[in-house]
Amino acid sequence: DIQMTQSPSSLSASVGDRVTITCRASQGIRNDLGWYQQKPGKAPKRLIYATSSLQSGVPSRFSGSGSGTEFTLTISSLQPEDFATYYCLQHNSYPLTFGGGTKVEIK
Amino acid sequence: QVQLVQSGAEVKKTGASVKVSCKASGYTFTRYYIHWVRQAPGQGLEWMGIINASGGSTTYAQKFQGRVTMTRDTSTSTIYMELNSLRSEDTAMYYCARGGSYYDSRGYLNGMDVWGQGTTVTVSS
Repeated sequence: DIQMTQSPSSLSASVGDRVTITCRASQGIRNDLGWYQQKPGKAPKRLIYATSSLQSGVPSRFSGSGSGTEFTLTISSLQPEDFATYYCLQHNSYPLTFGGGTKVEIK
Repeated sequence: QVQLVQSGAEVKKTGASVKVSCKASGYTFTRYYIHWVRQAPGQGLEWMGIINASGGSTTYAQKFQGRVTMTRDTSTSTIYMELNSLRSEDTAMYYCARGGSYYDSRGYLNGMDVWGQGTTVTVSS
C-alpha cells in the first residue's frame, strides 16, 4: 500500500496568512493526488485534483503543486471560512489512501 | 446538479449487518464509479472500495474483503454498501462519493468529486 504522510498534523494561523500543507507519498504516484477540505459535521469537499487543477467553484487562493512523491497545498491568504481539516488523497493505485489530515485553527 | 443522497443513521448490535444506500441524481448513473469511504469518530478518512455503476464490478480494500459487499440498482440509480459481522470499531460515518468516468481509460483510479452527506453507523453490544 502507498503511505501518505501529511504534515503538519495541525497548525494555527491568522486571517491573511499564507499556509502550506505537505503530503509525501511512500512511492511515486505521478500527479494522481487530490486535496480535500472537511468542516466539522460535513462531508469532504474536493479543492484540487490531478495535483494542481482547481475544482470548479473553489477560490483561486487555493493552489496545489508537486509531482512524484512530494505535494503541496497552499492557501495564499487564509480566510475565516478556511478553518477546517485538509486531507490529501492518492489515487494512483489501490487501495486509495488518504493523508492523516491537517487541522487549520485560528491563532 | 450532481447529488448523492444517503440513507439515514443506523444503530446495530455487534455481529449484525448494515446496508447503506446512496441514491445518485443529476448525471448519467452508469457512466461513473462510486467509492465508499468511512471516518471513525475524530479520525481520518479510510477508503473501503469502489463499484462500477455500469457493470457492477467491485474492488475492495483488503481490510474489508469478505465483510463488505457493494452492489447497484441501475433502475433506481442507487448504490448499496453492506458490511457484515459488525464490531465496535465499525462505528463511523460512511460516505459514498462519485469517482471517475467509466469511459476514461483510468476512470477506475480517479479521485472523488461529489460526496454524499454521510450515514452514521453505530455498533454497540
